[in-house]
Amino acid sequence: AQSVTQPDARVTVSEGASLQLRCKYSYSGTPYLFWYVQYPRQGLQLLLKYYSGDPVVQGVNGFEAEFSKSNSSFHLRKASVHWSDSAVYFCVLSASMGYKLTFGTGTSLLVDP
Amino acid sequence: NSKVIQTPRYLVKGQGQKAKMRCIPEKGHPVVFWYQQNKNNEFKFLINFQNQEVLQQIDMTEKRFSAECPSNSPCSLEIQSSEAGDSALYLCASSPQASNERLFFGHGTKLSVL
Repeated sequence: AQSVTQPDARVTVSEGASLQLRCKYSYSGTPYLFWYVQYPRQGLQLLLKYYSGDPVVQGVNGFEAEFSKSNSSFHLRKASVHWSDSAVYFCVLSASMGYKLTFGTGTSLLVDP
Repeated sequence: NSKVIQTPRYLVKGQGQKAKMRCIPEKGHPVVFWYQQNKNNEFKFLINFQNQEVLQQIDMTEKRFSAECPSNSPCSLEIQSSEAGDSALYLCASSPQASNERLFFGHGTKLSVL
């Protein structure tokens, strides 16, 4: 069985500050990992994905994430946040391509303008 | 903006009533997923299709829940006899291929069972 833990339910940062949202996963094999964002009253949107190779993956809007097999982590980062980044961010794992997704419970990000 | 269209946006039902929601996947996407997102942001996979065929589904789906993706018609998810615990946001997502390399999600149907 696999699971995803996002230890921070809520994070508040000031506009222009750097950001890290934490994600830990549990899976015995090699995971496929994603970060999705959910803006108010909108559908989930893919930020970035990791399958293999370079452990640092770049996504949209300046987001990046780093995969660590030794730490079973896939933390999301951004160098300088904007107020429009306020949303709920979900770390997601898939055991294999085409298999159902396992979601974390999300981190609600509030960016103070 | 999402090109996966879900209707209705909001659905209010009494306990025991049927609840039906629809999803039009993005054009050219043969794979459709349904997920349930509760108020605690816990996601539960319900079922997925490739074209009209079911790929995977959970036991819950086999009892009160039914779903289909007929050709040339919207996909649908129906709860035969709604329960309070079914209150949630139901998300439909489509993908251009069987892999979930990238899922495109609709805005969801928010079901409230009174």
